[in-house]
Amino acid sequence: GAVVSQHPSRVICKSGTSVKIECRSLDFQATTMFWYRQFPKQSLMLMATSNEGSKATYEQGVEKDKFLINHASLTLSTLTVTSAHPEDSSFYICSASYQGSGETQYFGPGTRLLVL
Amino acid sequence: QKEVEQNSGPLSVPEGAIASLNCTYSDRGSQSFFWYRQYSGKSPELIMSIYSNGDKEDGRFTAQLNKASQYVSLLIRDSQPSDSATYLCAVHDNNDMRFGAGTRLTVKP
Repeated sequence: GAVVSQHPSRVICKSGTSVKIECRSLDFQATTMFWYRQFPKQSLMLMATSNEGSKATYEQGVEKDKFLINHASLTLSTLTVTSAHPEDSSFYICSASYQGSGETQYFGPGTRLLVL
Repeated sequence: QKEVEQNSGPLSVPEGAIASLNCTYSDRGSQSFFWYRQYSGKSPELIMSIYSNGDKEDGRFTAQLNKASQYVSLLIRDSQPSDSATYLCAVHDNNDMRFGAGTRLTVKP
């Protein structure tokens, strides 16, 4: 149980384009979803937290206009990297938790973004 | 600043040995504690959670929590080469989950 999927698993795009990443909870309703970014050999960095139907809460230093988060339903959240640049190349990972999970976060498999 | 500290390692143990991973945290109000395993190039996967002082065992894994000393540890018995990964400690207070930077474990055959 508590399976989270992400799509796509890998994406290569040109500088200046926008990329959308989907995060889905497959077998539970996710009250909260989280978006992380991880650069090689570094730790997870929380970007934002989102609850279904409300605006995401962004961490300090994360540009909300660049990283658009939509949490339209209890099973789907999307992260759109707008006008991507090479420095946005990273491993983007979502996680989800549900009411009664004891604050446990279940991670998706991640999306590797390469901006050329 | 609330902190979760882990020794970055690498920690190297021979196959069959016990691997001991430690984590300390600064926020005394923390309520929930988690260990995740992250293989290179993959996302974290939950190993176990612990909420009360003492030990919690799940197969070859034992989590230990001592709230008075503000530390949580993970023991891996009969370590296998497939246990080689980075182990992330995560601590949740009433608001946020905070992750340590991880300890890289290598189990040598």
